[in-house]
Amino acid sequence: AQSVTQPDIHITVSEGASLELRCNYSYGATPYLFWYVQSPGQGLQLLLKYFSGDTLVQGIKGFEAEFKRSQSSFNLRKPSVHWSDAAEYFCAVGPAASGNTPLVFGKGTRLSVIA
Amino acid sequence: GAVVSQHPSWVICKSGTSVKIECRSLDFQATTMFWYRQFPKQSLMLMATSNEGSKATYEQGVEKDKFLINHASLTLSTLTVTSAHPEDSSFYICSARDPLAGVINEQFFGPGTRLTVL
Repeated sequence: AQSVTQPDIHITVSEGASLELRCNYSYGATPYLFWYVQSPGQGLQLLLKYFSGDTLVQGIKGFEAEFKRSQSSFNLRKPSVHWSDAAEYFCAVGPAASGNTPLVFGKGTRLSVIA
Repeated sequence: GAVVSQHPSWVICKSGTSVKIECRSLDFQATTMFWYRQFPKQSLMLMATSNEGSKATYEQGVEKDKFLINHASLTLSTLTVTSAHPEDSSFYICSARDPLAGVINEQFFGPGTRLTVL
């Protein structure tokens, strides 16, 4: 069965500290992987995506993620967190092929940033 | 990038009334759109897959007679919450695929609609 696990429900980091949000997936086929960010009351904004090639992908707002097939992981990182990064982060997985298959989302990780 | 809009962004209605939410792909034609529901502090729950020109495919547990989905054109899908009740209060988000994006199964999300039923 397809699933995405984000083990951390809530993470608090200090502004300027580094960040890593974990994401593990279970997928029967070649996965496409995504990270989205959602601010309160807002829709989802795509941070980055991985389809193939270099396993370290760069996204917007200084975020990056590394795909590790052996660990079925796609962890999101940022070297220095800003207060504006406080939001909900969702990892999602979808099939490589096009079609009507929707993305499968993790339950999300809420990031709080303290001074 | 592809843009998806939703209207209204926020709606309050009385219990028993019906509410229509629109999802539009602004710069591409979307043969497939998805409707999600999100409760506070929870993840997105897929409600249905909307295909242009055909009936929507509903997820298990979603009442098709209560959540009417119409995808009459390649740029518009609508979700109508019929006889809304307070428990239907939620954040509704749509997404759309751009078929010309090739094999990339990327979905573009709308900004969401906050529904409050009094």
